[in-house]
Amino acid sequence: EVQLVESGGGLVQPGGSLRLSCAASGFTFTSYWMTWVRQAPGKGLEWVANVKQDGSETHYVDSVKGRLTISRDNAKNSLYLQMNSLRAEDTAIYYCARHKAFYFDYWGQGTLVTVSS
Amino acid sequence: QSALTQPPSASGSPGQSVTISCTGTSGDVGGYNYVSWYQQHPGKAPKLMIYEVSKRPSGVPDRFSGSKSGNTASLTVSGLQAEDEADYYCSSYAGSNKNVFGTGTKVTVL
Repeated sequence: EVQLVESGGGLVQPGGSLRLSCAASGFTFTSYWMTWVRQAPGKGLEWVANVKQDGSETHYVDSVKGRLTISRDNAKNSLYLQMNSLRAEDTAIYYCARHKAFYFDYWGQGTLVTVSS
Repeated sequence: QSALTQPPSASGSPGQSVTISCTGTSGDVGGYNYVSWYQQHPGKAPKLMIYEVSKRPSGVPDRFSGSKSGNTASLTVSGLQAEDEADYYCSSYAGSNKNVFGTGTKVTVL
């Protein structure tokens, strides 16, 4: 059974940093691109970033470039999102998702990030 | 990277059909046959319902169908059931290994 479990969310002050993790199991992690998607409270889904199977290629939505960094550790079957220079508008539930071809076939339950003083 | 446009809400009575539109541009919806649809119940993670415009993953009822014409994709839910009440989001490949989501549609079963 495919499982994606996010962790690392919490309350952080504006300008602060946070590192999200996503533990993957039940599938061959190295065969898939992986993605982070976020959802601000009461709002819609927003694609944030993705990373290639070997970590050699990453892509970001313009609003997070230079502040958020996606990475993966294939030895640990884990996906990460390093979040720096956080802003109030980064407040959201962050989901990790398995990226199959051009869609997202499995999702984690999400972890909440709140940026507030 | 602008969000795809969906109607905020749609509704239908049990047994009826509802169709949700998803309008983009030639750079996303119109340029690729890579539109997908997701169902999200309150407090839950999104669930894939349709991929590559009209394909259904295993386990998704055939009441759910997808189509595309030009820059607009559509999701139709036939034979509405109470459990279909949820938010629905479209998504499209937008080139350069990026994706974009729609603004979301709340479906209400009357």
